[in-house]
Amino acid sequence: DAGITQSPRHKVTETGTPVTLRCHQTENHRYMYWYRQDPGHGLRLIHYSYGVKDTDKGEVSDGYSVSRSKTEDFLLTLESATSSQTSVYFCAISETGLLGAFFGQGTRLTVV
Amino acid sequence: GEDVEQSLFLSVREGDSSVINCTYTDSSSTYLYWYKQEPGAGLQLLTYIFSNMDMKQDQRLTVLLNKKDKHLSLRIADTQTGDSAIYFCAESIADSNYQLIWGAGTKLIIKP
Repeated sequence: DAGITQSPRHKVTETGTPVTLRCHQTENHRYMYWYRQDPGHGLRLIHYSYGVKDTDKGEVSDGYSVSRSKTEDFLLTLESATSSQTSVYFCAISETGLLGAFFGQGTRLTVV
Repeated sequence: GEDVEQSLFLSVREGDSSVINCTYTDSSSTYLYWYKQEPGAGLQLLTYIFSNMDMKQDQRLTVLLNKKDKHLSLRIADTQTGDSAIYFCAESIADSNYQLIWGAGTKLIIKP
């Protein structure tokens, strides 16, 4: 399995609080992605990175920010959590962006 | 815009072949992928096919691509209970920095 770790695995937080999810990889892959998965929606891309300090928005980026100061770490921040951000969040990595991506185990976030 | 569509459910008998179908709309897709997600787990890349190929076989898995009809299928021979999962189709779009566009997933149900 690709070396990709998400933390925390589960989190419950209150509406209005900031939350940061971490994705750590040991594969030295260039591309990193944050997705959210909700029933009936499949996976939706939040943000992605194509190198250190190089990030771009996905289709559902509102309310989220990311940072990548090192190759191995990609952080996702919910600036002020809302109940609509209750979801399972997946990080993925890819060496080339083309030949498929490897996924972490996911973080289940509940905003109450 | 880009769209990937899949049936939500497929039910097959153990030992039969499963065929999971997917249609996509973007003609500039480069690679198409099949991922498997078991309950509570991340997504696992099963196989991928380059858009200029018609077929790819890997053990029990056969991928067929009809580029004219924008139709992709995944055939699983001799379906086993361990194949029970959600299967996602995805395409990478050359015009969008190779972002992945995902289907909503097909839940494969195995009947004894």
